[in-house]
Amino acid sequence: SQQGEEDPQALSIQEGENATMNCSYKTSINNLQWYRQNSGRGLVHLILIRSNEREKHSGRLRVTLDTSKKSSSLLITASRAADTASYFCATDPFRTSGSRLTFGEGTQLTVNP
Amino acid sequence: DGGITQSPKYLFRKEGQNVTLSCEQNLNHDAMYWYRQDPGQGLRLIYYSQIVNDFQKGDIAEGYSVSREKKESFPLTVTSAQKNPTAFYLCASSTLLGKYQETQYFGPGTRLLVL
Repeated sequence: SQQGEEDPQALSIQEGENATMNCSYKTSINNLQWYRQNSGRGLVHLILIRSNEREKHSGRLRVTLDTSKKSSSLLITASRAADTASYFCATDPFRTSGSRLTFGEGTQLTVNP
Repeated sequence: DGGITQSPKYLFRKEGQNVTLSCEQNLNHDAMYWYRQDPGQGLRLIYYSQIVNDFQKGDIAEGYSVSREKKESFPLTVTSAQKNPTAFYLCASSTLLGKYQETQYFGPGTRLLVL
């Protein structure tokens, strides 16, 4: 089963509003990553947060990580129409060997002008 | 100009035919990955490779095959055994920090359609 699950599945907001997306996961992780995908395109990496970090910022993006609740959130402030895309969280589960990410189903964000 | 490329952008497969999707990277990354994405869904891992001449099955490897003869290249063959191949295929590459998974860089994708 998928390690990460995003919530909500879809989010529609007005330009200028903030958008918050959540990700929950099941097992211990090394790190959690957020990616963005425009329709019909490849994924673009946004932020990587390690298991010993609680918050990271990048421009208008803020990511939090709560390992006790096994959850993360992505906040996009002052949203723009160009932020319309699907957003995925991906986890690097803690393991002794092998290395792979497990992606969630994504949140479709629509920012209306 | 560094990056990861996939070709073709669109690929049509006839029933019973094997087709090969190309993935090339010039980022000097050790690890490469193939994902399948169905409409409105997330990514599912098909195969991945952490070193030349070695690769591992992902979650949905049945009906697919790969090779890793060069560090820069990781082609995916969709065989006739894959009964439902219509999907968007994404290739990615990354460095590896020990056993930790670092940022993955994605290609633009190949959309495979069945005639």
